[in-house]
Amino acid sequence: NAGVTQTPKFQVLKTGQSMTLQCAQDMNHEYMSWYRQDPGMGLRLIHYSVGAGITDQGEVPNGYNVSRSTTEDFPLRLLSAAPSQTSVYFCASSFVPPGRGSYEQYFGPGTRLTVT
Amino acid sequence: GENVEQHPSTLSVQEGDSAVIKCTYSDSASNYFPWYKQELGKRPQLIIDIRSNVGEKKDQRIAVTLNKTAKHFSLHITETQPEDSAVYFCAASIRGFQKLVFGTGTRLLVSP
Repeated sequence: NAGVTQTPKFQVLKTGQSMTLQCAQDMNHEYMSWYRQDPGMGLRLIHYSVGAGITDQGEVPNGYNVSRSTTEDFPLRLLSAAPSQTSVYFCASSFVPPGRGSYEQYFGPGTRLTVT
Repeated sequence: GENVEQHPSTLSVQEGDSAVIKCTYSDSASNYFPWYKQELGKRPQLIIDIRSNVGEKKDQRIAVTLNKTAKHFSLHITETQPEDSAVYFCAASIRGFQKLVFGTGTRLLVSP
């Protein structure tokens, strides 16, 4: 199994540009999520999905869109990039949502995004 | 909103000492409390977790304790080693199992 994969590893955008961060998992996990990690602020949930066709907002959803058309893929779209979106983005997946059993949430390797 | 507070933000110990990291949570419905370790430039990885029907869980040198009444939980690392140096995050499940809220992290430095 490749686990959770993310592309690209690094990205530089100009303010106002749009782009999609890709996330895929091959473990047949129902639950997938996107976090951003900023210094001193831990991991903050952007959006999550409990299954194909179902998504919901996390703590910091503004400026981001997601969709879940298949179990495997959960792309994150930045609609109009802003310098405040400079961060490291992690995708994660698990068999079931957190709390429904002690199932590990596996993280991808991350995407380091810089918006100038 | 729901939040998780984590202390201390940095912790320096000598090799062989014990380290304790503490977290408090606000949502009384939280029922799942994982701890993640993140080495520099790497992804977070689960090291131990505990559910709300258990007061303590141990795995070799690491243990987690939970006090539901006080809404706090702690990570204990005994006989620390230099390879334990990393950032540790606590988290709590929020709103009926659908998501995790993370603490702000503790940078642990173990000196030889």
